[in-house]
Amino acid sequence: DGGITQSPKYLFRKEGQNVTLSCEQNLNHDAMYWYRQDPGQGLRLIYYSQIVNDFQKGDIAEGYSVSREKKESFPLTVTSAQKNPTAFYLCASRETGGFLYEQYFGPGTRLTVT
Amino acid sequence: DQQVKQNSPSLSVQEGRISILNCDYTNSMFDYFLWYKKYPAEGPTFLISISSIKDKNEDGRFTVFLNKSAKHLSLHIVPSQPGDSAVYFCAASGNNNDMRFGAGTRLTVKP
Repeated sequence: DGGITQSPKYLFRKEGQNVTLSCEQNLNHDAMYWYRQDPGQGLRLIYYSQIVNDFQKGDIAEGYSVSREKKESFPLTVTSAQKNPTAFYLCASRETGGFLYEQYFGPGTRLTVT
Repeated sequence: DQQVKQNSPSLSVQEGRISILNCDYTNSMFDYFLWYKKYPAEGPTFLISISSIKDKNEDGRFTVFLNKSAKHLSLHIVPSQPGDSAVYFCAASGNNNDMRFGAGTRLTVKP
């Protein structure tokens, strides 16, 4: 069945290490997104991609990097330059070609950096 | 600069009554607005949306109202049910396919 998968559900890393979060979708959506949620906060846009090999910075891109080599995949790397990496990370995808489409979200990855 | 704002962090209503959740936006380029429902440690799920060419969209117990001149939208849930208790996010998108979210409102429906 179609959907968005994020793995793992929980991820632990030591400070100073880069870590890559996985996001895969089989919905054939062109657009994919990464958000970060902190406790009691809303979803803040990190990066988004409208098409393969293209992506744009969101509101809080510093300390993060992405790639979009395949339509199905949009991995997010949290680099050691990110000052407060511990958060709940959500990936989403969306059909394009018109703007009246909602996003579908994955289950999220909770990253803890100590 | 937060482009989508939900100024009420929480709302509590009695079962059977109306819940009204509010959202304001600042970017006049937004032309598509959505409401999502979210439970802890899960991804948001889509509830209802409205395009800028409309001022109202209804789906069962859920109605979204859009006031473009005021850059304001609201979600009405009537009648409210205990199962509606969750965090509700307002989101807005422009023609560049970005999507910005508000901070969320935690709705509690008391039996």
